[in-house]
Formats: sequence, structure tokens, C-alpha cells
Amino acid sequence: EAEVAQSPRYKITEKSQAVAFWCDPISGHATLYWYRQILGQGPELLVQFQDESVVDDSQLPKDRFSAERLKGVDSTLKIQPAELGDSAMYLCASSYPLAQDTQYFGPGTRLTVL
Amino acid sequence: AQSVTQLGSHVSVSEGALVLLRCNYSSSVPPYLFWYVQYPNQGLQLLLKYTSAATLVKGINGFEAEFKKSETSFHLTKPSAHMSDAAEYFCAVTLIKAAGNKLTFGGGTRVLVKP
Repeated sequence: EAEVAQSPRYKITEKSQAVAFWCDPISGHATLYWYRQILGQGPELLVQFQDESVVDDSQLPKDRFSAERLKGVDSTLKIQPAELGDSAMYLCASSYPLAQDTQYFGPGTRLTVL
Repeated sequence: AQSVTQLGSHVSVSEGALVLLRCNYSSSVPPYLFWYVQYPNQGLQLLLKYTSAATLVKGINGFEAEFKKSETSFHLTKPSAHMSDAAEYFCAVTLIKAAGNKLTFGGGTRVLVKP
């Protein structure tokens, strides 16, 4: 069964450092999502791609966060500089384009900022 | 804009007892509704989804949910809890649009199953 791949699974960094997360969606899924999940809360969308284009980044803190999906396949989410409040689980999901299509989630990257 | 409220951040049930997790949504247009399960340090797995067909939706692992428009609810149930059901459960909503849409999640309900 096809799965969404994410790496690394765990990342510990110090504040002010740069971090990057990678996601490889299920083959054929044009839509890719990055969510942030703070401990004890539900995931919140950071950015949504349709192929290589950003369709929603309204909740992305653009002063420090960036995301790209250059060839419309895999994607990278970067934080620079990291802050203590960025400690969270970063989840990647992918789906076909329609709203009723299931979003399939990767295992996530657990970020701890010290 | 849509929103989801899950009543009860923690639920404790005995093994073999009914599991009932409550979800109420707010949406200005007909929604699609989802239930996901998350085990510790893992991603989310779809349990079931409502996409405007049958109002009673059956999912994996013996779970089912009923869409009630008049109550704006989509509660999740399982007749008999198993130890493996201990996890966190999230209700989510998205709007019926042509293009892919973001999911808005509730705050989650953590289920503890007692032997």
C-alpha cells in the first residue's frame, strides 16, 4: 500500500537554528498539505499545494517559514530561525484534488526546539 | 468558515463497553466530515468519512458514525471497546468545493481503555 513518506522522524535543534523537513506524497496525488500539530491539539494547516503552486498559505508564518514543491512531487518545509514555540509535530498529507478525497497522512516529524 | 467541536478531551471506557465520541460542526454550506485516529508519535489514519451519501457511515475497526444535519453532529461509536482502541481521535470538516480543500480539525479526544 502506498504511503506518504516524511523525514526525519525526529529533530532536535536549538533556537535560532535552521531546520528542514521533507515529504514525498503518494504517487499521483496532486495536492499536498503541511500541517502543524501542537501537543494536545488538532492539526492546523500551514500550506497547501496543487501540483507546484501554493493555493493556501494563509496560516504560514512567512517571516520564518517557507515551503516549496518545485517539481510538483516532493516538498520541503523550512524554518529559519527556529523558535521555542515551533516545537510541534509537522505532518504532511496528500490527496487527489477533490474535497471529498481522503487526505493520507505521513508519520510526521517531531520537532523539539531547545 | 467551518469549525469543529469535540466534546470531552478525554474519555475512559472499559474493555467491551460502548465507545461514544462526540463531534459537532459549524458550516455555512454542506460539509464533508471525517474521523481520524492517531496513535502516539504517528500520523493520522482515516477511520471513516461522510460525503453526502448514506447518513450512517461504517468505517474500519468496527467504528461507525451518523451524520445528523438537524443537530449538526457526526458522533463516532463502537459497540465494544478493545484495548487497541486506545488512541486519540480527531473529527474534521471540509467544504464541498471543486478543488481540494483544507481540513479543519477538532481538538481531539483521547480514549483510554480499561481492562
